Amino acid sequence: AQSVTQLDSQVPVFEEAPVELRCNYSSSVSVYLFWYVQYPNQGLQLLLKYLSGSTLVKGINGFEAEFNKSQTSFHLRKPSVHISDTAEYFCAATGSARQLTFGSGTQLTVLP
Amino acid sequence: DARVTQTPRHKVTEMGQEVTMRCQPILGHNTVFWYRQTMMQGLELLAYFRNRAPLDDSGMPKDRFSAEMPDATLATLKIQPSEPRDSAVYFCASGPPHLQGEAFFGQGTRLTVV
Repeated sequence: AQSVTQLDSQVPVFEEAPVELRCNYSSSVSVYLFWYVQYPNQGLQLLLKYLSGSTLVKGINGFEAEFNKSQTSFHLRKPSVHISDTAEYFCAATGSARQLTFGSGTQLTVLP
Repeated sequence: DARVTQTPRHKVTEMGQEVTMRCQPILGHNTVFWYRQTMMQGLELLAYFRNRAPLDDSGMPKDRFSAEMPDATLATLKIQPSEPRDSAVYFCASGPPHLQGEAFFGQGTRLTVV
């Protein structure tokens, strides 16, 4: 069965600083990987996805993620964060069953 | 602008009452998911359907929860009888046939059982 681990439950960072949100997955089959963002009182929105091809994936709002098969990781990065990036971020994976499994989430708080 | 629509957005009910949550998936999507989100458990998959057929509802308490898709434009999640521990935000999401697991989420139904 697919499992997704987000290593940090909370990440505080100052505005304009870089940030990395960590995600590891476990799978013995081909996997597709996603990052979603959830703003307060909202549903989840897709930030970016890895299906195949280039291991560096660019998404919306200046975010990018790198798929690392040897380390089974899919960390999310942004070189300079804004106050508006404050939200909860979820890593997700789907395998052969096409069932989306989410990590526990990382609360990113951008401080002025 | 295509989106997943969930009703109601908020529901407060008394313990023991029946609760029905509705979801209208995006037109053309053939996969529908129901998730429950709580502070303690995070996002839990309750059930999912493909082409209106239930594929997995192992995450759903069978004695009180039921999920159905009466037609391609409507998915329902029912709780009968409701209990305070069912208080949570329930999300519906839908996915198109050709995408591998990507899901588009509704705004959620915030359920409070008192």
